[in-house]
Amino acid sequence: DIQMTQSPASLSASVGDRVTISCQASQDISNFLNWYQQMPGKAPKLLIYDASHLETGVPSRFSGSGSGTEFTFTINNLQPEDFATYFCQQYDDPSTFGGGTKVEIK
Amino acid sequence: QVLLVQSGAEVKRPGASVKISCKTSGYSFTTYYVHWLRQAPGQGLEWMGLIHPFHGKTDYAQKFQDRVTMTRDTSTSTVYMELSSLRSDDTAVYYCAKHRDVSMVYALDYWGQGVLVTVSS
Repeated sequence: DIQMTQSPASLSASVGDRVTISCQASQDISNFLNWYQQMPGKAPKLLIYDASHLETGVPSRFSGSGSGTEFTFTINNLQPEDFATYFCQQYDDPSTFGGGTKVEIK
Repeated sequence: QVLLVQSGAEVKRPGASVKISCKTSGYSFTTYYVHWLRQAPGQGLEWMGLIHPFHGKTDYAQKFQDRVTMTRDTSTSTVYMELSSLRSDDTAVYYCAKHRDVSMVYALDYWGQGVLVTVSS
């Protein structure tokens, strides 16, 4: 299985900050990567697909980049509703998730 | 609107089986894959497999290959996931989720509410 190493596992940030999360694949996955947001006790929500495409209805402060084995997810101008856990998902073979990054209030 | 509504929480003994339903509405049921995933308490997400409701073809994660069965009922737009030979480490919230489009991009745009399955003696 393809391993997805996500970092950091948690971070503290303030409203208005820029937050960056990384995901590293154990082998080349091209751009076959998605990003999700999960609130406590809720199902995940799709934010980014194909590494960099913003899902319909998702605010433009969320963005994704990368290809191959290195990927980055960024939240610009962090909002109160963005404090959540974020996961990356590869779907090259067949599908595995990163361990998650919990974004907490500083 | 698109909805995926799952059946209720389950408590099972080790060695038993569990069958969870996922009733869909608001979209063309036979057009999009439905995936199954799970999340152990406080842990990350684990992909279990998928089913295409049109022809019923499935693709299971190797880890679950010999224990999972995914089926569908086109008359009720419902998919099912049965997991057998349950162990304590199968305790998790189980989700169904809809494939975003007709491509092979495994982006999951609508999710069920999740079902807690507890395996305990």
